[in-house]
Amino acid sequence: DADVTQTPRNRITKTGKRIMLECSQTKGHDRMYWYRQDPGLGLRLIYYSFDVKDINKGEISDGYSVSRQAQAKFSLSLESAIPNQTALYFCATAGGQQETQYFGPGTRLLVL
Amino acid sequence: AQTVTQSQPEMSVQEAETVTLSCTYDTSESDYYLFWYKQPPSRQMILVIRQEAYKQQNATENRFSVNFQKAAKSFSLKISDSQLGDAAMYFCAYRVGGSEKLVFGKGTKLTVNP
Repeated sequence: DADVTQTPRNRITKTGKRIMLECSQTKGHDRMYWYRQDPGLGLRLIYYSFDVKDINKGEISDGYSVSRQAQAKFSLSLESAIPNQTALYFCATAGGQQETQYFGPGTRLLVL
Repeated sequence: AQTVTQSQPEMSVQEAETVTLSCTYDTSESDYYLFWYKQPPSRQMILVIRQEAYKQQNATENRFSVNFQKAAKSFSLKISDSQLGDAAMYFCAYRVGGSEKLVFGKGTKLTVNP
């Protein structure tokens, strides 16, 4: 079984809709991250969390919110989706500050 | 601001041959980490190799090795005995020690020809 899972794998939604992307991990890591990948731009950090009570904004947090429901679960929400949020979204985890980040399989989101 | 530059948008290699992917980075920090990630058509981001800046020895993982030139701020990836399964996008990434943020390059698309 995969260590980091994301649901759904693909999602199509309409402008103005609220959607949630979910991430779960079985690695026992404290740190979790949400990234966005756009063509030609690499990955950019949206939010990250050190533990359930510690959530921090990344470089492109506007228009997004997150929830760390448990050590193993970290959800990303788009309160009112817009077309320029069409992208590939990745969740990642790490065991500590010096540790490597491990990525989930990604969620492809299309906002019409 | 830290930046990571991958100057080769696309590369190709013959199966069983060797290929080197280039990466340069810009930083004033002394404590940092460098990574190469592979993204095959399945979209999964897979760690290939990691290098700590304080280590002089170049990292190696089986057929994958790096040439880390700290003074030149260069971190190239060498793939030996290329296989069809190596075909993917390869991303170079950088992280400052004490920071949570990974800074990615724009990627290099590697094609492996049979």
